[in-house]
Amino acid sequence: DSGVTQTPKHLITATGQRVTLRCSPRSGDLSVYWYQQSLDQGLQFLIQYYNGEERAKGNILERFSAQQFPDLHSELNLSSLELGDSALYFCASSVESGWASPLHFGNGTRLTVT
Amino acid sequence: GENVEQHPSTLSVQEGDSAVIKCTYSDSASNYFPWYKQELGKGPQLIIDIRSNVGEKKDQRIAVTLNKTAKHFSLHITETQPEDSAVYFCAGSNYQLIWGAGTKLIIKP
Repeated sequence: DSGVTQTPKHLITATGQRVTLRCSPRSGDLSVYWYQQSLDQGLQFLIQYYNGEERAKGNILERFSAQQFPDLHSELNLSSLELGDSALYFCASSVESGWASPLHFGNGTRLTVT
Repeated sequence: GENVEQHPSTLSVQEGDSAVIKCTYSDSASNYFPWYKQELGKGPQLIIDIRSNVGEKKDQRIAVTLNKTAKHFSLHITETQPEDSAVYFCAGSNYQLIWGAGTKLIIKP
């Protein structure tokens, strides 16, 4: 168990809708990262927050947004959903903000857009 | 920018044999190289990592070697077991973490 909790585990929704994915980082970790993994694909970095502040941005679409709250949990908001947004979305956390720090991943939210 | 290439994409080995997965990187300033294992239905899990000031690191049946001159690093798994079946990802980091495409390791009984 990594200590990172993601909810919900599964989400099925229709095109054009909006969803929110939630992540609780491991106790003591200040950094949260969001990744997208499409079927049989690698990990695409979306965005990183450190102690409430946006720290780095990857290939995140304008339709997607995220935030980290004072209690350090994070939410990823996906809007105007398209079929191609169907994927596994992972949250990871680490103690530090730098990129040489081990990441602890949750078990993901599987999003299906119909 | 940094690019990390990972080979092979699929590797099938007999139980008990060794498995080797290789990654090359392009940014000579990269200084941190983790390996993650992803089992079906789970998130990736760090299994071993190496920093650029070290050439090799071992943890029981798993080892990672780093060749800074050639800009490549490899994961070695000895005495493979069925529970080693998974997808393995390498990554390289300088100012951001760049991931390889993954290797599906199949252990044949």
